[in-house]
Amino acid sequence: ELKVEQNPLFLSMQEGKNYTIYCNYSTTSDRLYWYRQDPGKSLESLFVLLSNGAVKQEGRLMASLDTKARLSTLHITAAVHDLSATYFCAVASNFGNEKLTFGTGTRLTIIP
Amino acid sequence: DAGVIQSPRHEVTEMGQEVTLRCKPISGHNSLFWYRQTMMRGLELLIYFNNNVPIDDSGMPEDRFSAKMPNASFSTLKIQPSEPRDSAVYFCASSLALGGSNTDTQYFGPGTRLTVL
Repeated sequence: ELKVEQNPLFLSMQEGKNYTIYCNYSTTSDRLYWYRQDPGKSLESLFVLLSNGAVKQEGRLMASLDTKARLSTLHITAAVHDLSATYFCAVASNFGNEKLTFGTGTRLTIIP
Repeated sequence: DAGVIQSPRHEVTEMGQEVTLRCKPISGHNSLFWYRQTMMRGLELLIYFNNNVPIDDSGMPEDRFSAKMPNASFSTLKIQPSEPRDSAVYFCASSLALGGSNTDTQYFGPGTRLTVL
């Protein structure tokens, strides 16, 4: 059974600082996704990572994937208040399968 | 594009009543997913369809839950009878699966907040 763990679960950080959210998963997979969820809202897709060493960046967020270590990171650079949200990683169960297993989420709060 | 559409957005019902949640996927998408989100269990996949056919329903909690997709533009999730522990936010998502490997992301609807009293 695929297990996906995120840490930290809660993260409070000051504006302007850098930090990283980690996503570990237990079995081989070919796809990893990052989503953002604002309180009371739906999930918004941020990144799709498809291969070992993949790196994608959008604004102050950068995601990377190491399939050998079964690890993905979401790096936040010079955080701003607008980035406050819950971030989820999700991993595909196996090759060609569309089923995603979501991590527990990391609730990020940016303090002015 | 209007995105994934769900109705109702909020539903309050009493234990034992039947509840039907509705979803319209993004036009052209051929995969549809039903998720449930709670504080205790997080985000769980209940069932997903590809080309209107149920592919994986291993997440459906019990026989009280059923899902249908009669055509490419409509799906329902039914709970009968409902129980207080079914209270959650239910999300529908859709994606475009190409070949046997889906690399497209799943697009989520706004969700239905269900409260069972």
